[in-house]
Amino acid sequence: EPEVTQTPSHQVTQMGQEVILRCVPISNHLYFYWYRQILGQKVEFLVSFYNNEISEKSEIFDDQFSVERPDGSNFTLKIRSTKLEDSAMYFCASSEVRFGGTYEQYFGPGTRLTVT
Amino acid sequence: LAKTTQPISMDSYEGQEVNITCSHNNIATNDYITWYQQFPSQGPRFIIQGYKTKVTNEVASLFIPADRKSSTLSLPRVSLSDTAVYYCLVHNAGNMLTFGGGTRLMVKP
Repeated sequence: EPEVTQTPSHQVTQMGQEVILRCVPISNHLYFYWYRQILGQKVEFLVSFYNNEISEKSEIFDDQFSVERPDGSNFTLKIRSTKLEDSAMYFCASSEVRFGGTYEQYFGPGTRLTVT
Repeated sequence: LAKTTQPISMDSYEGQEVNITCSHNNIATNDYITWYQQFPSQGPRFIIQGYKTKVTNEVASLFIPADRKSSTLSLPRVSLSDTAVYYCLVHNAGNMLTFGGGTRLMVKP
């Protein structure tokens, strides 16, 4: 079964540093997403990406966040200047585009980001 | 966005059928109902999706009454490995999924 992969599985960084979280979505999927989950809390939507641009973003996705699809397979989330409160599990997801209906989002295993 | 309400937690025993009901009184005409499962430190996993009536797949059934203001996820003959958090989501064909607190299912031997 195809799956979404994410690297690294765990990232430790110091406050103020930049981090890049990487994801390889399922190959024929065209919608990509980032979510995060702070320990013990809900899964929160950050951003969706389609056709090389952001489709939707939440209030969490402020100017310190950016996303990019640098090549045909990777999808990245960059946090420019990390804060302690950015510590969370970050999930990448992807889905097919289905018009006239809805779709299943496939989630990756997550990257645990720890900001010290 | 339609708000969903589901039990915070449920207990069951191996081999039993588990039914988790979610209420979504403000569901819109073009909204779908989707259930996800999440194990600790893993990403959510799609279980089942429906619009109305009943949907069944290899792992679960989803019952949706005619007014669509609620839905029930049915897990037949649960095992210890079904211990997880189960999320009910209501969404249209747009992009973002809004997760609530979910139902923490504990399956006991």
